[in-house]
Amino acid sequence: KQEVTQIPAALSVPEGENLVLNCSFTDSAIYNLQWFRQDPGKGLTSLLLIQSSQREQTSGRLNASLDKSSGRSTLYIAASQPGDSATYLCAVSRDSNYQLIWGAGTKLIIKP
Amino acid sequence: KAGVTQTPRYLIKTRGQQVTLSCSPISGHRSVSWYQQTPGQGLQFLFEYFSETQRNKGNFPGRFSGRQFSNSRSEMNVSTLELGDSALYLCASSQLLRSALGEQFFGPGTRLTVL
Repeated sequence: KQEVTQIPAALSVPEGENLVLNCSFTDSAIYNLQWFRQDPGKGLTSLLLIQSSQREQTSGRLNASLDKSSGRSTLYIAASQPGDSATYLCAVSRDSNYQLIWGAGTKLIIKP
Repeated sequence: KAGVTQTPRYLIKTRGQQVTLSCSPISGHRSVSWYQQTPGQGLQFLFEYFSETQRNKGNFPGRFSGRQFSNSRSEMNVSTLELGDSALYLCASSQLLRSALGEQFFGPGTRLTVL
């Protein structure tokens, strides 16, 4: 059974710092891994999608890496800003049933 | 282009009642997926529809059902509500037959409270 874990559950850092959020999964038979952010009252926004054959994806100040063999992904946020405050979730898509399995999320607070 | 809309945004029901939630996907998207989000269980996949057909189903009891109309709008229904059904229900739209294989666009959710 696929399980997705995100550590830490919460993180508070001063503005301007670079930071890393972690996601691990137990079954390497994934089709892709996705990172989302969730703002209160605004649903989820897709940030980055990494196919299982890829090692990383970049979008602006965000960089996500994938090490399928070790069951790990990281989301790197450069030069953090208060607007980056949100809950960040990762999800993996299983090869077998095309469903997203979600982590519990990391609540990120960027202090001005 | 308008985003995904969900109605109503907030709903309060009592145990034993039934509820219907609505989701309108992005214009041109034919896939709609539904998710339940609770503090205890996190986000869980409910079901997925493409061109009016249920293509995928999560591990939820039969009290949870859905449908999709010819204009791609979707509804989900929960019958005989239980306290544990209190949650944020999110819908997502996609252009793909299998939405989990690509980018999905989420609505703001419907917050259901069961008393």
